[in-house]
Amino acid sequence: DTEVTQTPKHLVMGMTNKKSLKCEQHMGHRAMYWYKQKAKKPPELMFVYSYEKLSINESVPSRFSPECPNSSLLNLHLHALQPEDSALYLCASSQGERRYEQYFGPGTRLTVT
Amino acid sequence: SQQGEEDPQALSIQEGENATMNCSYKTSINNLQWYRQNSGRGLVHLILIRSNEREKHSGRLRVTLDTSKKSSSLLITASRAADTASYFCATAAFLAQKLVFGQGTRLTINP
Repeated sequence: DTEVTQTPKHLVMGMTNKKSLKCEQHMGHRAMYWYKQKAKKPPELMFVYSYEKLSINESVPSRFSPECPNSSLLNLHLHALQPEDSALYLCASSQGERRYEQYFGPGTRLTVT
Repeated sequence: SQQGEEDPQALSIQEGENATMNCSYKTSINNLQWYRQNSGRGLVHLILIRSNEREKHSGRLRVTLDTSKKSSSLLITASRAADTASYFCATAAFLAQKLVFGQGTRLTINP
């Protein structure tokens, strides 16, 4: 199984809502990532988990809160978002950090109203 | 700072022609990777070339790496309509713990 799944595919939320994005992989990968991508731009790294521990936080605002409950799951908790946070949120996994190819999920299209 | 810069930003060619995209980077790297992204979807890994490799092939894809010039190119031969997508290079630097993506090339294959 070389698939990374993400739910939901689309999410519309108000600025006072709390929601979560979910990501799952069953490839035995030890590194998992959250990226944010705006239209016609490259993915921007947000967080990296390595062996279920947060190893990189790219100075992401605290209204984004990542969680790695186990080696197969990655969540991104959202609270009090701003309209400029609307974007495609991509999850990825890899065998290890940095040197390995990354497998991406299809993304969650988030719209903040 | 951004590692990979890609050229051209957009490329439109006829089906059957070859497409070439270039990527330049700034610091020493462990490897360089190319990804494809269809509109609004996740990225798909195409090929990884290590710093001690000069050329790599995968099907209709050919990637070259010139570490002296800090540049790479991706050649897609005999293009098809399904190749229409954005293509990103991504570099894994020796001293960094993450991949850094270039700005991407938007490729359009016209039937």
